[in-house]
Amino acid sequence: QKEVEQNSGPLSVPEGAIASLNCTYSDRVSQSFFWYRQYSGKSPELIMSIYSNGDKEDGRFTAQLNKASQYVSLLIRDSQPSDSATYLCAVNIGTGNQFYFGTGTSLTVIP
Amino acid sequence: GAVVSQHPSRVICKSGTSVKIECRSLDFQATTMFWYRQFPKQSLMLMATSNEGSKATYEQGVEKDKFLINHASLTLSTLTVTSAHPEDSSFYICSARASYGYTFGSGTRLTVV
Repeated sequence: QKEVEQNSGPLSVPEGAIASLNCTYSDRVSQSFFWYRQYSGKSPELIMSIYSNGDKEDGRFTAQLNKASQYVSLLIRDSQPSDSATYLCAVNIGTGNQFYFGTGTSLTVIP
Repeated sequence: GAVVSQHPSRVICKSGTSVKIECRSLDFQATTMFWYRQFPKQSLMLMATSNEGSKATYEQGVEKDKFLINHASLTLSTLTVTSAHPEDSSFYICSARASYGYTFGSGTRLTVV
């Protein structure tokens, strides 16, 4: 089992809809969770970080963490064509500083 | 915000030569940096963890003698791909932990011909 798993998609949503991205992880002691957006040929950029169970909102983005079920999700409200990218879930594994990425979910927002 | 500067952004080299990639933390000290590799349409794969003043920790399957990492100061880590082969062609990205999370360099596109 991989440490971090995501549905690779592709996920397509119409403009203005809610895009829902999911991620599961294997290590119960993981404490830090991140969502990154990566445009083709570019480096990842941080969207959200979440450390506690529940929801965390930042503008159109909401991260949700459920440690008991070992999943973290990202909701994008009012999706825009510029949101079209690959979204990477990253989780720290164990108690070290290393963190691992999921395979990424490709999102396309259709105008 | 915390910035990691990575150079070069693109490099083309001949098979058998070595290439050095630099990552600098510009406005913060990075005791630990991470090196990732990303092949087309794949996710980032952690290669190694670079620790200032000590040996790097390599992930399973990554050859430490081929991918030399030096982290001699709190603001600079380098990755040298030695005796590069076409299969080493990839997108190499460094990352460091800043106060708000992990920040990435802009990446280096390595093409070995």
